[in-house]
Amino acid sequence: NAGVTQTPKFRILKIGQSMTLQCTQDMNHNYMYWYRQDPGMGLKLIYYSVGAGITDKGEVPNGYNVSRSTTEDFPLRLELAAPSQTSVYFCASIRDREFSSGNTIYFGEGSWLTVV
Amino acid sequence: LAKTTQPISMDSYEGQEVNITCSHNNIATNDYITWYQQFPSQGPRFIIQGYKTKVTNEVASLFIPADRKSSTLSLPRVSLSDTAVYYCLVGGGPFSGGYNKLIFGAGTRLAVHP
Repeated sequence: NAGVTQTPKFRILKIGQSMTLQCTQDMNHNYMYWYRQDPGMGLKLIYYSVGAGITDKGEVPNGYNVSRSTTEDFPLRLELAAPSQTSVYFCASIRDREFSSGNTIYFGEGSWLTVV
Repeated sequence: LAKTTQPISMDSYEGQEVNITCSHNNIATNDYITWYQQFPSQGPRFIIQGYKTKVTNEVASLFIPADRKSSTLSLPRVSLSDTAVYYCLVGGGPFSGGYNKLIFGAGTRLAVHP
């Protein structure tokens, strides 16, 4: 049971390039999330998904796209990378929408992205 | 998800008890209160969760008054390794919208000094 796995861990992009951050969870969680965290700041929700085939915007969706074709995978796509997208990206998942004993949010280890 | 308010930062010294309070005035009847800890360069991780009164585990205690409009995370005898950001999250109840849109607040930066 690997939990939430993100790849790549580090990446340098040039302005205008595109890339996909991969996120996979093996816990059969329905809910998945992408956050970005700028230095010294809190987590900002980019996109989230409540199940396969269903995604919705979070607080800061501009410049990003997501898809959820399977329960396990929730990739984040950056189109036309900009320096403002330099950040740490975290993927997270939770089993279902309601808390019950032991139902907690699991985070990946993060992906460090620099746009130059 | 209920809006939460926490202090931006706190300072403490090794061996002291630290209490971080979170205000959540619009908490729903079925909402739970959960605290997460984030170290630099890592994703947040679960510390403790409660619904009412007091909950204690091996790392922390959570105090929730009867009106549930606030909660206090208590860290006994902190060490340098407790330096981190602490987030209070409220929600997850069956009639509160659950965790559809999971938004974290700014958190509390705790600095523990020697």
